[in-house]
Amino acid sequence: QSALTQPASVSGSPGQSITLSCTGTSSDVGGYNFVSWYQHHPDKAPKLIIFEVNNRPSGVSDRFSGSKSGITASLTISGLQAEDEADYYCSSYRRSDTYVFGSGTKVTVL
Amino acid sequence: QVHLVQSGAEVKKPGASVKVSCKASGYSFTGYYLHWVRQAPGQGLEWMGLINPNKGGSTVAQKFQDRVSLTRDTFIDTAYMELSGLRSDDAALYYCTRDQGGATFDSWGQGTLVTVSS
Repeated sequence: QSALTQPASVSGSPGQSITLSCTGTSSDVGGYNFVSWYQHHPDKAPKLIIFEVNNRPSGVSDRFSGSKSGITASLTISGLQAEDEADYYCSSYRRSDTYVFGSGTKVTVL
Repeated sequence: QVHLVQSGAEVKKPGASVKVSCKASGYSFTGYYLHWVRQAPGQGLEWMGLINPNKGGSTVAQKFQDRVSLTRDTFIDTAYMELSGLRSDDAALYYCTRDQGGATFDSWGQGTLVTVSS
């Protein structure tokens, strides 16, 4: 069971927008609208920031937005801030009651 | 509010088994699936399996199917993940997480560090 493909790292300057990709297959990302995104700071538990492709939990900044096209989901962080520096993981349902995470993207704020 | 509290760090020898607990509070334990996710040092998040606390049924990732057992005790609102045949590459931080439905993991335990060393 291979992980969803994410770029290893993405960087941007404060105030910029960056987009993280998450590529799967028709059996996961492309087949279901059950894609979520997590922000993971070291020594903390992952935090849900986007669910069901493009929905934000209450309390999550509207600078985070999600989308999907075909087998690729995307997370956009606008107005990049220093506190956004973290690892980001996508996750998807993958048929037969199984799930999969992405390989993770390290976001660096320059 | 929702809390998932996991058992403490474990040190095990290769070949041994480890059982991690995850105690839920603040919501109806039987109303939400619980998943187990691990992160090895320097690696990403890896989905291990899920349990339906209501009926007790579970699904385990193919990679772990012969080594992982997921159980729960509805009397004390606690889920368990037991991993047998420990190897050095099982050393990781193990998390339980609640699923709101559709891969929406909205609450996470604090993580349990498992060290495998002879």
